[in-house]
Amino acid sequence: DGGITQSPKYLFRKEGQNVTLSCEQNLNHDAMYWYRQDPGQGLRLIYYSQIVNDFQKGDIAEGYSVSREKKESFPLTVTSAQKNPTAFYLCASQRTSGNTVLHNEQFFGPGTRLTVL
Amino acid sequence: QKEVEQDPGPLSVPEGAIVSLNCTYSNSAFQYFMWYRQYSRKGPELLMYTYSSGNKEDGRFTAQVDKSSKYISLFIRDSQPSDSATYLCAMSALTGGYNKLIFGAGTRLAVHP
Repeated sequence: DGGITQSPKYLFRKEGQNVTLSCEQNLNHDAMYWYRQDPGQGLRLIYYSQIVNDFQKGDIAEGYSVSREKKESFPLTVTSAQKNPTAFYLCASQRTSGNTVLHNEQFFGPGTRLTVL
Repeated sequence: QKEVEQDPGPLSVPEGAIVSLNCTYSNSAFQYFMWYRQYSRKGPELLMYTYSSGNKEDGRFTAQVDKSSKYISLFIRDSQPSDSATYLCAMSALTGGYNKLIFGAGTRLAVHP
């Protein structure tokens, strides 16, 4: 089955610790995204990548880092510099044509709930 | 002011009711309008997708876009308990090579038997 997987489903982080959230897709999509979802707020864009080895900051990139070494994978690291990391993190992918993101749906993974202890 | 405004609810209706969910927006460049449904502790899934103005119907769901009023709606007819979820509106504009999706805060809907 084609889709997006995220792991782990739940993650607990201690103060000062870096943690990495996994996102894998087998949809052959070029574009991938990371969002953060907090109660009462919409999805906020953290980072996005339109092609392998290239990524751009979104609206709330501070305290986060990403890599895009493979088309299928777009891991997100939440660093100790992120002061309020407790949230629901969603990864998404989207089909593109050349360098242009098509206006097609973004497919979302099941999410990772991160809690700071 | 947020680019996209959406009443977070919660909205509670009896089974069989017609539900109306709405979003307003401020950016007149938005051309693509989407509704996502998100069940509790799950990722959002696309429900409806509309380009520019007009209506689109899919089974019990109808999406409407009124660009002159900067207002979009999702109607659910004969609502079912399985429709209980959070509904997120999302929209994007043509801005070069990347078209960023802007999401509303989501409206939580509960349909009770």
